[in-house]
Amino acid sequence: RKEVEQDPGPFNVPEGATVAFNCTYSNSASQSFFWYRQDCRKEPKLLMSVYSSGNEDGRFTAQLNRASQYISLLIRDSKLSDSATYLCVVGRSSGSARQLTFGSGTQLTVLP
Amino acid sequence: NAGVTQTPKFRVLKTGQSMTLLCAQDMNHEYMYWYRQDPGMGLRLIHYSVGEGTTAKGEVPDGYNVSRLKKQNFLLGLESAAPSQTSVYFCASSYWGQSNYEQYFGPGTRLTVT
Repeated sequence: RKEVEQDPGPFNVPEGATVAFNCTYSNSASQSFFWYRQDCRKEPKLLMSVYSSGNEDGRFTAQLNRASQYISLLIRDSKLSDSATYLCVVGRSSGSARQLTFGSGTQLTVLP
Repeated sequence: NAGVTQTPKFRVLKTGQSMTLLCAQDMNHEYMYWYRQDPGMGLRLIHYSVGEGTTAKGEVPDGYNVSRLKKQNFLLGLESAAPSQTSVYFCASSYWGQSNYEQYFGPGTRLTVT
């Protein structure tokens, strides 16, 4: 079983739609949670951190449920520029290092 | 401020050849990482370093070696390339900090082993 599991999609949605991505993680020692965005043939970039209380950044809302080991990302009013792969990422300490474990990503295409 | 850079961007190797991938960062980060990304697999950690002169194995270290002789550079070596090492390789770096996990990635190196 993968440590971080995501629905690979693809999700094809029209502009203006609301879309939600889900993610589960298996290591209860995970301490930090993130969504990264990766454009086609580019490097991953941090989209937002995810906090237990839930947090919002413009059209993006992230939620964390530690008891269920579940993370979500909601994108409202989708734009063409939101088309990308969204990576669910969990972080934990391993020795003196801070390690990130990446999900395999959910592909989103926003259609005109 | 270039951030994280990787050299080369593309490379084709024959089975058994060797090569070194160079990663450089100008953000004075303590931590540096090498990942590989394969379709459907997500990013997998190969090796990492928590400071100059130190390295450690990640999830998939076999067939790779690394060195961190200078704080700003992290080298990934393939001594005898195999087709299974065809992948996209990403380097990343991050600050040392109790609660700071954000990693900054380089643009990647696309390696094909024939």
